[in-house]
Amino acid sequence: EDQVTQSPEALRLQEGESSSLNCSYTVSGLRGLFWYRQDPGKGPEFLFTLYSAGEEKEKERLKATLTKKESFLHITAPKPEDSATYLCAVLNAGGTSYGKLTFGQGTILTVHP
Amino acid sequence: DSGVTQTPKHLITATGQRVTLRCSPRSGDLSVYWYQQSLDQGLQFLIQYYNGEERAKGNILERFSAQQFPDLHSELNLSSLELGDSALYFCASSVGPARRQYFGPGTRLTVT
Repeated sequence: EDQVTQSPEALRLQEGESSSLNCSYTVSGLRGLFWYRQDPGKGPEFLFTLYSAGEEKEKERLKATLTKKESFLHITAPKPEDSATYLCAVLNAGGTSYGKLTFGQGTILTVHP
Repeated sequence: DSGVTQTPKHLITATGQRVTLRCSPRSGDLSVYWYQQSLDQGLQFLIQYYNGEERAKGNILERFSAQQFPDLHSELNLSSLELGDSALYFCASSVGPARRQYFGPGTRLTVT
């Protein structure tokens, strides 16, 4: 069974204090690893897709990286508006699970001004 | 705005009742997915449809069923509701089964 574990569960930062969120995964056949951002009471908003180990993607203050067992979401000089829950998910490649996204529990990020 | 619409936004109903949640995917997307999000379980995959046919199933209860219609909109039917079914229900859509999924705003179901 596919599994995704995110750490830490919660992270409190001061504005400008850079940090990283971790996503460890086990999946029978990885088709892609996704990062989403979710604000309270709203639907997840797509951030990145990573397909193979060594791949990196960047968007504004966020940078996602991927290894064979985990992914990191690096946040550089965060601002209060970056406060949200960040979700990691793996997409299974085949069989009856084709297309199924398995999500981690998320990291709740709070950035204080 | 992801382009995925869900109705209603909120639903309050009693135990034992049946409800229907509706989802319209983004224009051009053929795949529709349903997820349940509760505080203790996180975001859980329920079921996936592609162009009207069921493609993948998660831990969806037998009391729950879904379908995708010829116009590609989808409905999730929840019956014999229990207190534990209270959650946010999200619909997502994508061009195909293994592509980026775009999530709707969700339906908040409260069972009293």
